[in-house]
Amino acid sequence: QVQLQESGPGLVKPSQTLSLTCIVSGASSSSDRYFWSWIRQPAGKGLEWIGRIYSSGITHYNPSLKSRVTISIDTSKNQFSLKLSSVTVADTAVYYCARVVEPDVSSSPTFDIWGQGTRVTVSS
Amino acid sequence: QSELTQPPSVSGAPGQRVTISCTGSNSNIGAGYDVHWFQQLPGTAPKLLIYANNNRPSGVPDRFSGSKSATSASLAITGLQTEDEADYYCQSYDSSLSGYYIFGTGTKVTVL
Repeated sequence: QVQLQESGPGLVKPSQTLSLTCIVSGASSSSDRYFWSWIRQPAGKGLEWIGRIYSSGITHYNPSLKSRVTISIDTSKNQFSLKLSSVTVADTAVYYCARVVEPDVSSSPTFDIWGQGTRVTVSS
Repeated sequence: QSELTQPPSVSGAPGQRVTISCTGSNSNIGAGYDVHWFQQLPGTAPKLLIYANNNRPSGVPDRFSGSKSATSASLAITGLQTEDEADYYCQSYDSSLSGYYIFGTGTKVTVL
């Protein structure tokens, strides 16, 4: 059974860098069948895709966050990470890691496995 | 950035049928990208409910169905049950800018 688990500080000061890690179990992050992604959700609001990474390290970011986001992967530890720099209160949210899959050969990608989420608050 | 628009809320009595619309544009749904649907129960992570417009992952009841046409998509729930009370999100891909995954604005389903 594939599981994802986010970890990291729950409180970050404004202007600092938010750092989170997602540990993958039950599957290999080095698999060439999947991408790995970060998604966030402010309290009471909708979902926002942050970015994704492939096992090779190739990344793709949401244009609205691209200047502040870095996603990396460590296949030896079966985990991938998110760094979001220069945070403000607007970055306060629940952050999810998720597996990206193409359900069928001709299908557009989607997110089939999600972590439970970790709440990050930006406050001084 | 583009947006997938959903009604903020829909409601129905147990046993009734409700539908949720997801309206996009020519850079996402209208460009041929598939629409996927997620169910988010209170305090939990989203769960994939429908993939590639009208397919159910294993374990999802056949009360849930999806459709897609032109620049929009719909999720239907037939035989509404109390446990269906949740937030629902559509998701697709948008080819504008450098391309990105896009979620709908979300719909709260209330079982009366």
